[in-house]
Amino acid sequence: QPVLTQSSSASASLGSSVNLTCTLSSGHGNYIIAWHQQQPGKAPRYLMMLEGSGSYTKGSGVPDRFSGSNSGADHYLTISNLQSEDEADYYCDTWDSNARVFGGGTKLTVL
Amino acid sequence: EVQLLESGGGLVQPGRSLRLSCAASGFTFNNFAMNWVRQAPGKGLEWVSGISGIGGSTYYADSVKGRFTVSRGNSKNTLYLQMNSLRAEDTAVYYCAKDLRPSKNIALAGPPDYWGQGTLVTVSS
Repeated sequence: QPVLTQSSSASASLGSSVNLTCTLSSGHGNYIIAWHQQQPGKAPRYLMMLEGSGSYTKGSGVPDRFSGSNSGADHYLTISNLQSEDEADYYCDTWDSNARVFGGGTKLTVL
Repeated sequence: EVQLLESGGGLVQPGRSLRLSCAASGFTFNNFAMNWVRQAPGKGLEWVSGISGIGGSTYYADSVKGRFTVSRGNSKNTLYLQMNSLRAEDTAVYYCAKDLRPSKNIALAGPPDYWGQGTLVTVSS
């Protein structure tokens, strides 16, 4: 079963850009992953699905400021022109024929 | 508009049972796999269980296997989670979530693309 590793925290300034990383465990580099955002006190929200080719499919209403990319086992969520409402926890997840697994989440602080 | 509304949470003693429900609307419920995902206080997301659409194959995290049972009532557009032999470590907000693609194969269903607001389960004496 794959394991997803995320940094526990990140910070960036208002109006700047930030890359959040989700790393797939060895041998699972071809898995598709997804990114979810959880603002404080709210339910998670689906942001996008990121395929091995680097193409991504965003959820309904997700701003253009959010994009995805990957390099090998590392999958990135890039947020441009950071806004105060982007301060949230960000989780990646992946799945196979038996189970789904989430990364530990990254807490993003907007300075 | 897709809507998922969980209910059934509450305070329960260790060793007792509880059944959660998730009422779905805004999509063809029986075509989509569904999930239960929980979040302990101050912790991250943990996948608990999944169930495919038509056919109803079920899947469980090791932490709940043998104690929890997921099911669906396609005629009522409702997802259920029967939780038995509850433990303190089961205390969490429980979310139901719909998978992205209609598929009989959970591996092809994609990630959760809609989430409910959650229901809190507290296991304590």
